[in-house]
Amino acid sequence: DAGVTQSPTHLIKTRGQHVTLRCSPISGHKSVSWYQQVLGQGPQFIFQYYEKEERGRGNFPDRFSARQFPNYSSELNVNALLLGDSALYLCASSWQGAPIYGYTFGSGTRLTVV
Amino acid sequence: LAKTTQPISMDSYEGQEVNITCSHNNIATNDYITWYQQFPSQGPRFIIQGYKTKVTNEVASLFIPADRKSSTLSLPRVSLSDTAVYYCLVGEGGNQGGKLIFGQGTELSVKP
Repeated sequence: DAGVTQSPTHLIKTRGQHVTLRCSPISGHKSVSWYQQVLGQGPQFIFQYYEKEERGRGNFPDRFSARQFPNYSSELNVNALLLGDSALYLCASSWQGAPIYGYTFGSGTRLTVV
Repeated sequence: LAKTTQPISMDSYEGQEVNITCSHNNIATNDYITWYQQFPSQGPRFIIQGYKTKVTNEVASLFIPADRKSSTLSLPRVSLSDTAVYYCLVGEGGNQGGKLIFGQGTELSVKP
């Protein structure tokens, strides 16, 4: 079975640009969460979607948005990129809304803003 | 979710047993304790979860004292491939919104 897949794996953008990151959850998983991980720190929660509805939002500016599609895949969008948005963006999926133990993470998208 | 405190880093040698302790003084009655492992440029991977006493799986053991204010992840006979960052998390095992709060983690370095 395929795990959580994220695309692209690496991305370089210029300040002020927009970026879209994509995530495909494990087959059968209906929940997708997004995390930002800055070098040297633990992942920070951005969003969670379950059954295409937003279930949680972390302390991130409105430049960050996300959505979940009928096939449960998800997109994370970031507008007006800042240098500080450079990070590893992780997607995690689970089969139910909110188990602390059942999350499977993808390998992430490494975003570099120059 | 309860805040956790772990050592920033630990060193070990191949073949040794490694114990990483996590403090969570404000753990709530409904909270479970979960450990994740993360290799560079990869997402975290679930290792083990427990509520009280001892839990063991094929990878690790988790020891939780009666007051549940701390927990210890035990890795038996580590190898070089166990070099990673280990995160301790506490939170409800049920429906609590899906928000995992990661601390800084413990960077374990295993040497030959």
